[in-house]
Amino acid sequence: QLQQSGPGLVKPSQTLSLTCAISGDSVSSNSVTWNWFRQSPSRGLQWLGRTYYRSRWFYNYAPSVKGRLTIKSDTSKNQFSLQLNSVTPEDTAVYYCARQYGPFDYWGQGILVTVSS
Amino acid sequence: DIQMTQSPSSLSASVGDRVTITCQASQDISKFLNWYQQKPGKAPKVLIYDVSKLGAGVPSRFSGGGSGTDFTFTITSLQPEDIATYYCQQYDNVPITFGQGTRLEMK
Repeated sequence: QLQQSGPGLVKPSQTLSLTCAISGDSVSSNSVTWNWFRQSPSRGLQWLGRTYYRSRWFYNYAPSVKGRLTIKSDTSKNQFSLQLNSVTPEDTAVYYCARQYGPFDYWGQGILVTVSS
Repeated sequence: DIQMTQSPSSLSASVGDRVTITCQASQDISKFLNWYQQKPGKAPKVLIYDVSKLGAGVPSRFSGGGSGTDFTFTITSLQPEDIATYYCQQYDNVPITFGQGTRLEMK
């Protein structure tokens, strides 16, 4: 199970921060990846990035957000997080975390994040 | 980026109809193609993975096929609970990309 947390409103130019807490699996599992997505009417479903552990940590980011996005993994809390810098109203979307084990088989509940002053 | 072109964008059908959605990748993605169902306010749910494998607990009226760049998703006998939006998704390369979605409505 994946439980998301974070604010639903962020001001323009600030940082959007979300956390995905994992239960029933481990963030350092070497057989899965942990992912962030967002969904908006204008952009559809968009993969943002992922983290995974294969003897060391790996991070991949979508080109569209690379340079603004940081994904972190926290083994002590068994969770991973998203930080998106310098947000604009175009970053308004429902954000999801998801586990990939083959397909994306477990998803968080989704959080609507609105970027507005 | 690999572009996923899904069609149609919307579809109206009756209970019991056979429904087919197509998805074309901009390059060969081998078997790395999944199909998801999404209902309003919910996260996507995997129905078909690796082109043709049925997801856990997914009814057998759902199926998938194809290879390389051209893929299909079929519902053999549409049920009222199948009203949703459907997406194809490739994971051959990052960035992982989705089709634009097909909104399925009941006639």
